[in-house]
Parts: sequence; C-alpha cells; structure tokens
Amino acid sequence: KQEVTQIPAALSVPEGENLVLNCSFTDSAIYNLQWFRQDPGKGLTSLLLIQSSQREQTSGRLNASLDKSSGRSTLYIAASQPGDSATYLCAVAGSSNTGKLIFGQGTTLQVKP
Amino acid sequence: SQTIHQWPATLVQPVGSPLSLECTVEGTSNPNLYWYRQAAGRGLQLLFYSVGIGQISSEVPQNLSASRPQDRQFILSSKKLLLSDSGFYLCAWSRLAIDNEQFFGPGTRLTVL
Repeated sequence: KQEVTQIPAALSVPEGENLVLNCSFTDSAIYNLQWFRQDPGKGLTSLLLIQSSQREQTSGRLNASLDKSSGRSTLYIAASQPGDSATYLCAVAGSSNTGKLIFGQGTTLQVKP
Repeated sequence: SQTIHQWPATLVQPVGSPLSLECTVEGTSNPNLYWYRQAAGRGLQLLFYSVGIGQISSEVPQNLSASRPQDRQFILSSKKLLLSDSGFYLCAWSRLAIDNEQFFGPGTRLTVL
C-alpha cells in the first residue's frame, strides 16, 4: 500500500530565503507525482507535475525533482515571498489506469516579511 | 480553458438529513472525476472516482454514494448524514490519456450538527 510522507509538517522562514520541502513515498512504481498549493479554506492549485520518466520540472521560482529509486521528491522555492505562505501537498499516482492520487499530509509554510 | 465548479460552497445539515453535492467540469470531454474529503488533521482521502458515465468506484466504505449521470457531472450523495461526515469535500478531474494532471474545484465545506 502506497504511503506518502511530507516533512516538515510546518515551516517558518524569513522573506527572501530559499527553501526545500520534502516528500517521500513507499512504492516506487508510480505513474506521476504532483505538487499542489492550498490556501486556507480553498481548493488545491496544481503547481508542478512530474511524470515517472522525468527528473524535474520548473515553473518560475519553483523547481520540483523526482528520484523514483529512493522514493523522494523535493519542492524548491527560491527567494520566498509572504504570498508563498500556504500548505503544500504532494501526491503520487500509482501505475494503473485510474489516475488515483495518494496525498501526503502537507507542509504548512509561513514566510515572514 | 477548463473550469470546475462545485456547489454549494458551504452547507450546514442536521444529523440524519440527506446530502447532495454537485460538481461539473467545463471545457473538456471524457474526464476522470474524483471526490475527496479533507477532514481536519487527516489529509485528503479519496472517496470515489469515475472513468466514465455510470462508472463509479468506491475507495472507502461509508454511508456516502456517488453518481455520474452525465460526462462532466459528478454528484456525491447520502441518505442520512452522520456527524463524522463533516469535512471539506473536493471534486477533481484529470485527463488520464494525456498526463493525468489533476485539477481541483473550490470545495464544499459541510458541517453536520
């Protein structure tokens, strides 16, 4: 059974700092991995999608990497801003034809001005 | 572009009352559709998914049910709500044949009293 873990559960950093969020999964047979952002009381916003054959994806100040063999992904946020404050969730889709996602518990990020 | 709608946005219902939450997707065809529940401190849990009209798969035994009467409509129902049904319900869609990136709706906050 696939399990997804995110560490740390919460993180507080000063504005401008570069930071890394971690995600680990127990079954390396994944279809893809997706990072999301969730603001309080809102739905999820897709940030980056990494297919199983890819090593990383970049969007603006965000860079996500994937190491299937070790069951790990990282989300790197450069030059953090107060507007980056949110909960970040990673989720993996298993290698099946259903597209079902298994989510981690999330990392709640606070960027202080 | 594709959009996903959920309604109502918030709902307060007494224990034992029925439930109907609706999700519709615009701008795509034959999507995979998903219902998730996010309970406080418990992360996102997949409840149901559908790969086509009338095709529903349940992930977790419970007193909820789902239906897909049309290609882009997904409904979550209950005949009698329990206190434990309270939570934030999220609908999502993906195009498995393309890349399975999942996109989420704004969610419905359900409080059962």
